[in-house]
Amino acid sequence: GAVVSQHPSRVICKSGTSVKIECRSLDFQATTMFWYRQFPKQSLMLMATSNEGSKATYEQGVEKDKFLINHASLTLSTLTVTSAHPEDSSFYICSAHSGTSNTEAFFGQGTRLTVV
Amino acid sequence: DAKTTQPTSMDCAEGRAANLPCNHSTISGNEYVYWYRQIHSQGPQYIIHGLKNNETNEMASLIITEDRKSSTLILPHATLRDTAVYYCIVRVSQGAQKLVFGQGTRLTINP
Repeated sequence: GAVVSQHPSRVICKSGTSVKIECRSLDFQATTMFWYRQFPKQSLMLMATSNEGSKATYEQGVEKDKFLINHASLTLSTLTVTSAHPEDSSFYICSAHSGTSNTEAFFGQGTRLTVV
Repeated sequence: DAKTTQPTSMDCAEGRAANLPCNHSTISGNEYVYWYRQIHSQGPQYIIHGLKNNETNEMASLIITEDRKSSTLILPHATLRDTAVYYCIVRVSQGAQKLVFGQGTRLTINP
């Protein structure tokens, strides 16, 4: 199946700093990518929908100025957690979709963010 | 998207068939049933999807009832590596629609 690569897989940062997470579709063009967050023992929660060449659509309750999303090309979307705080520590996961109807989404391996 | 209901947890013996049920009684005519699984600390993995006919691939079989109000994912010969959380999701077929994850079923395969 198609491959989605997420980088880094783990990151530890200091409180107040910013962290960028990359999501790449390696063998297909992803017109749409999704960003999820998952806290321990909980399900995935959708944060935002990232469309190539346009502004991301954020889910209710997700601060767009804190979680900056850029989807500048058909193979790359980035999520930047700005001014990170310990409560932002979580497992962040991206998924990519080719845009064709009735096809599955492919997920990255996730990024474990720890803010200290 | 229609809501799905799954048992919180299930156990299955290694080598036996694992049957995971999902209720989606409010599913619309244009919504597909998708199954994903998530092994601990990894991203979700696509398993299978279908509209109304039963589907089979190298990983699993999907049985959808005639009224489409429920479905069953079947792992024919479960192995220890099939231990994971299994998510049943319904979504429309047009374009790149988001997946809304419920709590899923935590399947434990026992030796």
